[in-house]
Amino acid sequence: DSGVTQTPKHLITATGQRVTLRCSPRSGDLSVYWYQQSLDQGLQFLIQYYNGEERAKGNILERFSAQQFPDLHSELNLSSLELGDSALYFCASSARDLRAGELFFGEGSRLTVL
Amino acid sequence: AQSVAQPEDQVNVAEGNPLTVKCTYSVSGNPYLFWYVQYPNRGLQFLLKYITGDNLVKGSYGFEAEFNKSQTSFHLKKPSALVSDSALYFCAVRSYSGNTPLVFGKGTRLSVIA
Repeated sequence: DSGVTQTPKHLITATGQRVTLRCSPRSGDLSVYWYQQSLDQGLQFLIQYYNGEERAKGNILERFSAQQFPDLHSELNLSSLELGDSALYFCASSARDLRAGELFFGEGSRLTVL
Repeated sequence: AQSVAQPEDQVNVAEGNPLTVKCTYSVSGNPYLFWYVQYPNRGLQFLLKYITGDNLVKGSYGFEAEFNKSQTSFHLKKPSALVSDSALYFCAVRSYSGNTPLVFGKGTRLSVIA
């Protein structure tokens, strides 16, 4: 158990809908990262937050947004969903914004868009 | 831009034989290098990392990896494979400097056959 909690584990929705994925980092971790895992693209970095502020942005679509709250949990919002958004979404956390530090991953939220 | 290449989608090895999972990277400046493992329906788990110092890094579950700066490689190795090592393995890199995220390869599926 990594200590990172993600909900929901599975989510099935329709095209055009909006969903919110939630992540609780390990106790004390200030950095939260979101990654998307799909069969054809592998593991793609979406966005990082550190202590409530956006720190780095990757291949995140404009239809997607995220935030980190004062209690350090984070939410990833996906809107106007398309079939291609079906993927496994991972949250990871680390103690600080240390470049040498390893990330601790949750078990992911599997999104299926029908 | 930084990138990771895992040239083999699949590696098959007999139980008890040594295994190697290959990784090459591209990054500006010096790298931080990581290996993660993903078991079915689970998140990624940290195996080992190279920061600086000895080119041979030892990690969890008997795995080790060798950093080769001239070949920009960081191959994962284990002297004697177990069936339980069967999983998806990811190599990842980030630069010493700059605000770049951890970038992952596409993964190599290791299958250890009894």
